[in-house]
Amino acid sequence: AQTVTQSQPEMSVQEAETVTLSCTYDTSENNYYLFWYKQPPSRQMILVIRQEAYKQQNATENRFSVNFQKAAKSFSLKISDSQLGDTAMYFCAFMSSNYKLTFGKGTLLTVNP
Amino acid sequence: GAVVSQHPSWVICKSGTSVKIECRSLDFQATTMFWYRQFPKQSLMLMATSNEGSKATYEQGVEKDKFLINHASLTLSTLTVTSAHPEDSSFYICSARLGPGELFFGEGSRLTVL
Repeated sequence: AQTVTQSQPEMSVQEAETVTLSCTYDTSENNYYLFWYKQPPSRQMILVIRQEAYKQQNATENRFSVNFQKAAKSFSLKISDSQLGDTAMYFCAFMSSNYKLTFGKGTLLTVNP
Repeated sequence: GAVVSQHPSWVICKSGTSVKIECRSLDFQATTMFWYRQFPKQSLMLMATSNEGSKATYEQGVEKDKFLINHASLTLSTLTVTSAHPEDSSFYICSARLGPGELFFGEGSRLTVL
């Protein structure tokens, strides 16, 4: 079974600064997907970024980028130029070959003005 | 992007009644949908996989007789919480699979059982 670990229950950052959220996972599979989702107070799950395990290049989406280390089974999210609207719960998730998602416990990010 | 809609977004019911939650993929067909449960300040836990035209597969510890799932068409899956009790109060979220690595989430449904 897959496990996803987010070791930072809460983090805070000043507006316009950069913050990195950590995520590690454990799996015996070789082909899989990794995700970061944002869940604001509305509780709608919003996809932030997706990484395919067979791609060595780190995924980027505007201010969001990941540091994917397959051998270390690490998948951290970097948010640059943090904005107040980035305040939310962030979940790291692993998708196995049967398309099931396993989520980490989440990191509550607060962006301070 | 693809849209998944859940209904109702919020439902309050009396203990012992049954509640149905719908999950629709509005602009694509989804042979597979997933149902999750999220307690306050916790993560999402997968409850079951809903497969169009066949029986749902449930995760370990999820009571299939309590949480009935029907995936009667390629755009609709329903979750029925039968004989609901206060401990069933939770936030239920569905997702629909569009393709490899592509999952889209509904807005979620908040169930409160009195």
